[in-house]
Amino acid sequence: GAGVSQSPSNKVTEKGKDVELRCDPISGHTALYWYRQSLGQGLEFLIYFQGNSAPDKSGLPSDRFSAERTGGSVSTLTIQRTQQEDSAVYLCASSLFPFGTSGNTGELFFGEGSRLTVL
Amino acid sequence: AQTVTQSQPEMSVQEAETVTLSCTYDTSESDYYLFWYKQPPSRQMILVIRQEAYKQQNATENRFSVNFQKAAKSFSLKISDSQLGDAAMYFCAYRSPNYGGSQGNLIFGKGTKLSVKP
Repeated sequence: GAGVSQSPSNKVTEKGKDVELRCDPISGHTALYWYRQSLGQGLEFLIYFQGNSAPDKSGLPSDRFSAERTGGSVSTLTIQRTQQEDSAVYLCASSLFPFGTSGNTGELFFGEGSRLTVL
Repeated sequence: AQTVTQSQPEMSVQEAETVTLSCTYDTSESDYYLFWYKQPPSRQMILVIRQEAYKQQNATENRFSVNFQKAAKSFSLKISDSQLGDAAMYFCAYRSPNYGGSQGNLIFGKGTKLSVKP
């Protein structure tokens, strides 16, 4: 597609339920990132995928959070047993790889985010 | 580890005036990339301007320009002729030239909320 697509745009769930958030990156972008943004706050890195390499999961806040990327394209972020503190906007971004070559500075292209509200 | 600091949580500017948003960073690397992103209320992050550290010339994109001071590790954003549509959160970000592991990530500052008064 023309841009990074995320779904759902908004999700309201009850505490304890599992949720799945989807990200479809820009075609040809092999690097994919998930960030979390709490109300009025900055971006908190969650996870980074690059091609077939093992993902960098260093930002995942707990084992309730997991993500996968199938076929090097679409990614799903799963939050199990949601808690109220999980309420936030979850942003996905993609970029070309490798950067530093052919004028690619590795800028991230962001989706519009998925707003998660846990009641 | 690299860090990015935006010391101004909020800024305000009169329409048509000029405003400068501050950003400092800490790194031991000599080559890297710096970015300013804008996040309007619609939530989508949009790239405003980028700077490659090996380039001495300050980047410019229309009304947006940066003052890149490599020795001081400073990367401020200047918005000239401010418009109502410039009102947004602005994030400064750093990217390492190395892309193994977590170094493939962008490191963001906490953001500056810019208000534009008519």
